[in-house]
Amino acid sequence: DAGITQSPRYKITETGRQVTLMCHQTWSHSYMFWYRQDLGHGLRLIYYSAAADITDKGEVPDGYVVSRSKTENFPLTLESATRSQTSVYFCASSLSREPEQFFGPGTRLTVL
Amino acid sequence: GNSVTQMEGPVTLSEEAFLTINCTYTATGYPSLFWYVQYPGEGLQLLLKATKADDKGSNKGFEATYRKETTSFHLEKGSVQVSDSAVYFCALYSGAGSYQLTFGKGTKLSVIP
Repeated sequence: DAGITQSPRYKITETGRQVTLMCHQTWSHSYMFWYRQDLGHGLRLIYYSAAADITDKGEVPDGYVVSRSKTENFPLTLESATRSQTSVYFCASSLSREPEQFFGPGTRLTVL
Repeated sequence: GNSVTQMEGPVTLSEEAFLTINCTYTATGYPSLFWYVQYPGEGLQLLLKATKADDKGSNKGFEATYRKETTSFHLEKGSVQVSDSAVYFCALYSGAGSYQLTFGKGTKLSVIP
């Protein structure tokens, strides 16, 4: 039972480059979420998805794009990375009608 | 809007000490409340939860009671171990349709032998 996985686990990129962070879950959960974790801010929601082809903005969506063509995948793309997007990114999922979320191991992204 | 306030860290305790991490919330309606734990280098894991007033969540020796009158959900453990060293997050779910959680900023706990 793989659960929820994220790739890559670590990524270093340069300002202006496009970066895609992958998230895959094997539970067929309806809801999926992307968070960023920064010192002093805790976890902040970037985007979420209620089902395939349904996505919506969270608290800090600027500079990010998401898609969800399949239930199990929820990639997060930084179209033109900036230094302020250096962070640890967590993907999470939850069953429909259940608020408990299950988190992936995170991706540590550094933008130089 | 909804918000969660946790005590500032870091918290450093000796092994077998008593732990309290304070959490208060602001929300409309009747939220569900959660404590998540993040061990070094890992993602968050659900530690315990409570879905209505006066409920007590418990797991691995940790407890928290949902106090609606004081809008609080303080985390307690009677005797901490070195293995409890982690970051602890309080969170709420307001009951709105998007199933979003609102998180506190986290409290880092270090337990020394």
